Amino acid sequence: AQSVTQLDSQVPVFEEAPVELRCNYSSSVSVYLFWYVQYPNQGLQLLLKYLSGSTLVKGINGFEAEFNKSQTSFHLRKPSVHISDTAEYFCAVRESGGSNYKLTFGKGTLLTVNP
Amino acid sequence: NAGVTQTPKFQVLKTGQSMTLQCAQDMNHEYMSWYRQDPGMGLRLIHYSVGAGITDQGEVPNGYNVSRSTTEDFPLRLLSAAPSQTSVYFCASSYDWAGASTGELFFGEGSRLTVL
Repeated sequence: AQSVTQLDSQVPVFEEAPVELRCNYSSSVSVYLFWYVQYPNQGLQLLLKYLSGSTLVKGINGFEAEFNKSQTSFHLRKPSVHISDTAEYFCAVRESGGSNYKLTFGKGTLLTVNP
Repeated sequence: NAGVTQTPKFQVLKTGQSMTLQCAQDMNHEYMSWYRQDPGMGLRLIHYSVGAGITDQGEVPNGYNVSRSTTEDFPLRLLSAAPSQTSVYFCASSYDWAGASTGELFFGEGSRLTVL
């Protein structure tokens, strides 16, 4: 069975600083990987995804993530954050083959950007 | 554009009461699903549907029923509410199974349920 671990439950940073939100996964087969963002009092929206191809994936709002198969990681990065990036971020995984298409979500990382 | 609409946004129930959380989408999506979100637990799939008349269980289905009589609507029923069902519930849809499987989910704004 697949699983996802988000290593930090909270990450406080100052505005314009770089940030990395860490995600590790476990699966016995190939996977698809996703990052979702949830702004306060809203539903989740897809930030970026890795299905195949280039291991560096670019998403919306200047975020990017790198798939590292050997380290089973999919860390999310942004070189300079804004106040408006304050939100909860969820990493998710699913097996890339077979009929098990259900997404497994991590527990979330709350990113707080301070002025 | 309405997207995915959930009602009610807030609800307080007493143990043993029943209620239905409504979910409607206007995007002609075939795939619809219900998740619950609990602090420190992430999102967990309750039930899903790949089209009208077809539903299946997710990871935490106990205590919940669903039906899908139309493409647009996917209500979630709690037959006898329990305090353990206190949570935030999200409905999510995708254009089809393939879209859902590649993460293209569109979420509603959530329904916050408290069971006393």
